[in-house]
Amino acid sequence: KAGVTQTPRYLIKTRGQQVTLSCSPISGHRSVSWYQQTPGQGLQFLFEYFSETQRNKGNFPGRFSGRQFSNSRSEMNVSTLELGDSALYLCASSLFFSSYNEQFFGPGTRLTVL
Amino acid sequence: KNEVEQSPQNLTAQEGEFITINCSYSVGISALHWLQQHPGGGIVSLFMLSSGKKKHGRLIATINIQEKHSSLHITASHPRDSAVYICAVVKPSQGAQKLVFGQGTRLTINP
Repeated sequence: KAGVTQTPRYLIKTRGQQVTLSCSPISGHRSVSWYQQTPGQGLQFLFEYFSETQRNKGNFPGRFSGRQFSNSRSEMNVSTLELGDSALYLCASSLFFSSYNEQFFGPGTRLTVL
Repeated sequence: KNEVEQSPQNLTAQEGEFITINCSYSVGISALHWLQQHPGGGIVSLFMLSSGKKKHGRLIATINIQEKHSSLHITASHPRDSAVYICAVVKPSQGAQKLVFGQGTRLTINP
């Protein structure tokens, strides 16, 4: 069974631009969660999608948004990029809600904002 | 103060030693996860606990809900165990649940 895939793996953008990251979950998994990891803040929860609905959201500004498609693939979008958005963005999939199920993580997308 | 605190932040040990990593939290939780992150960023879920103890190979995780504390133990440690270990608690939040992470413990096992 293929694992969680994320594209692109690396991305360089400039301040003010927007970016879209993609996550394909393990086949059959219905929940996709997104996380941001930085050296200063560590891992932080962004949001979780389940059956195309945002189920939960972390404490991030509205510039961070996401969606999930009917095939469970998910995208996250960051608009008006800031230098502080430079981070490793990880997605994870699980069969059902992430809090009570084993999550399978993708390799991450490393975003650099110049 | 962070809601989830791990100790130690860094740990270096010799191959074969028994390792303990601690996680303390200050909020009510319904479950706790232990994750392993290798250099390069890949994260693997090790355990999910809501009570008691779980064992998988050389890894053992325990949780004491009353004391708000969990431990991850590694027996007969090996250099391939070198990684960052992250504790995450499941915290009720506005009718749903969300994960709150500790800052991680960087473990280095020398041969």
